[in-house]
Amino acid sequence: DSGVTQTPKHLITATGQRVTLRCSPRSGDLSVYWYQQSLDQGLQFLIQYYNGEERAKGNILERFSAQQFPDLHSELNLSSLELGDSALYFCASSVGGQGAEAFFGQGTRLTVV
Amino acid sequence: GEDVEQSLFLSVREGDSSVINCTYTDSSSTYLYWYKQEPGAGLQLLTYIFSNMDMKQDQRLTVLLNKKDKHLSLRIADTQTGDSAIYFCATTVIKAAGNKLTFGGGTRVLVKP
Repeated sequence: DSGVTQTPKHLITATGQRVTLRCSPRSGDLSVYWYQQSLDQGLQFLIQYYNGEERAKGNILERFSAQQFPDLHSELNLSSLELGDSALYFCASSVGGQGAEAFFGQGTRLTVV
Repeated sequence: GEDVEQSLFLSVREGDSSVINCTYTDSSSTYLYWYKQEPGAGLQLLTYIFSNMDMKQDQRLTVLLNKKDKHLSLRIADTQTGDSAIYFCATTVIKAAGNKLTFGGGTRVLVKP
């Protein structure tokens, strides 16, 4: 158990809908990262937050947004969902914004039908 | 841009050593990681090496880094059936603006009894 908690584990929704994925980082970790794992794109970095502020941005679509709250948990919001958004979404956390060790949650498997 | 490459598949007999190879393009990579993903599970951090090191050993795992050739390898001694999984190589460049992991496509390791 990495100490990073993601909910829900599975999510099935229809095209055009909006979903929210939630992540609780390890105790003491200030940095949260979101990654997408799909068959065709592999593991892709989406976005990083550090202590409530956006720190780095990757290949995140405009339809997607994230935030980190004062209690350090984070949410990834995916809207206007398309079939191609079906993927495993991982959250990771590390102590610092430049942490060497990032620990991953179990992921949320999103299926868009 | 940054790129990390791995071979797709490795088959090894139980008790033998496994060697998983990875090449990367970004010479400013600061930390290099190996993650393990078992079916239906998240990413487990196995080990990592700082770029000023050539080798790191951790029980059955040995990481070798050749910075000149931008080549990273993971050796698993006495491979067990429980080592069957997908292994991901990843790199990061520590920047003031934050850091992200760039992953390879993963190497599926199959351990045969």
